Amino acid sequence: DTEVTQTPKHLVMGMTNKKSLKCEQHMGHRAMYWYKQKAKKPPELMFVYSYEKLSINESVPSRFSPECPNSSLLNLHLHALQPEDSALYLCASSQGQVSTEAFFGQGTRLTVV
Amino acid sequence: GEDVEQSLFLSVREGDSSVINCTYTDSSSTYLYWYKQEPGAGLQLLTYIFSNMDMKQDQRLTVLLNKKDKHLSLRIADTQTGDSAIYFCAERGGYQKVTFGTGTKLQVIP
Repeated sequence: DTEVTQTPKHLVMGMTNKKSLKCEQHMGHRAMYWYKQKAKKPPELMFVYSYEKLSINESVPSRFSPECPNSSLLNLHLHALQPEDSALYLCASSQGQVSTEAFFGQGTRLTVV
Repeated sequence: GEDVEQSLFLSVREGDSSVINCTYTDSSSTYLYWYKQEPGAGLQLLTYIFSNMDMKQDQRLTVLLNKKDKHLSLRIADTQTGDSAIYFCAERGGYQKVTFGTGTKLQVIP
């Protein structure tokens, strides 16, 4: 199994809603990532978890709250988002601290209305 | 900070070779990657090269790395219409951080 699975594929939420994005991998990878990709732009790193601990937060606003409940799961909790937060949110995983390739999920297309 | 630059657009005829170029600034890069992204989809890892290598070949794909000039290229032989997509180079520097290039849109003309 070399897949990173993200759910849901599409999400529309209001600015007062609370929702969560989910990411799952069963490759035994110990590093997991959240990226944000706006249209026609490259992905931008948001968070990195290493061994279930947050190791990088790229100055992301607190309305985005990551969580890594175990080594296979990564969540992104969303609250009080703005329309400009609409984007493709990509999850990725890699083997760990040693630099190796990262595997990406298909992303969640988020629209904030 | 790290910068990774690519040309925005490349158009080739089906059957020709495509060469997509990338320049980066982080001299501590350990791995360099090429990803493919089709419209509305996630990123697909095509190939990667370790920074102490000059070249890597994988079927129709050839990656060339000039570490001195911090220049990376991806050559796709016998380009097909299914190769039409956006191609991102990316480099992994310190702290597991992967920085993506600006992306090159490849258009393959039948």
